[in-house]
Amino acid sequence: AQKITQTQPGMFVQEKEAVTLDCTYDTSDQSYGLFWYKQPSSGEMIFLIYQGSYDEQNATEGRYSLNFQKARKSANLVISASQLGDSAMYFCAMRETDTGRRALTFGSGTRLQVQP
Amino acid sequence: KAGVTQTPRYLIKTRGQQVTLSCSPISGHRSVSWYQQTPGQGLQFLFEYFSETQRNKGNFPGRFSGRQFSNSRSEMNVSTLELGDSALYLCASRQVFRTGSQYGYTFGSGTRLTVV
Repeated sequence: AQKITQTQPGMFVQEKEAVTLDCTYDTSDQSYGLFWYKQPSSGEMIFLIYQGSYDEQNATEGRYSLNFQKARKSANLVISASQLGDSAMYFCAMRETDTGRRALTFGSGTRLQVQP
Repeated sequence: KAGVTQTPRYLIKTRGQQVTLSCSPISGHRSVSWYQQTPGQGLQFLFEYFSETQRNKGNFPGRFSGRQFSNSRSEMNVSTLELGDSALYLCASRQVFRTGSQYGYTFGSGTRLTVV
């Protein structure tokens, strides 16, 4: 069965510094997609970045980049130049294409706190 | 373009009652998924609807049901509420954000249900 592991329950980072949030996954599918979402205290899940299993380049979206290491089954999120507004829960998620399950499997999340 | 709209935002119900939650996807989107988020179990997939048909269902008891209308709006119903049903219920609208079969999910702000 598919599984997402986020081993960092909480992280602290100084404002303007970069931070890496870890995510490893387990799947037997060859085709899958990896997502990162941000969840502020308001509860809404905000899409940040997506990486397809066949994408040859690491995904980037503004200050967010995804360090995709397929052989190690890791998809770490890198946030550059942290801002106070980045303080939130961050979830890594996977969708498996081969099974057609059309559902996201989420990790347990990492709470990021940006300090001034 | 309006996002995913969930109503109500907050709800308090008594054990044994039933509840109906509503979700309107992004205009033009025909797929709606529902997720339950609790501190203990994290984010779990409930079900997905596409063009008024349930396409996928998670591992939840039959007390959890849903439906989708011709305008793509979806409702989720929980009958005979239990204390453990207290959670944030999130609805997601599926959209293609790249060419081909790659797509992502846009979430609403959720409905926070408290069962007392």
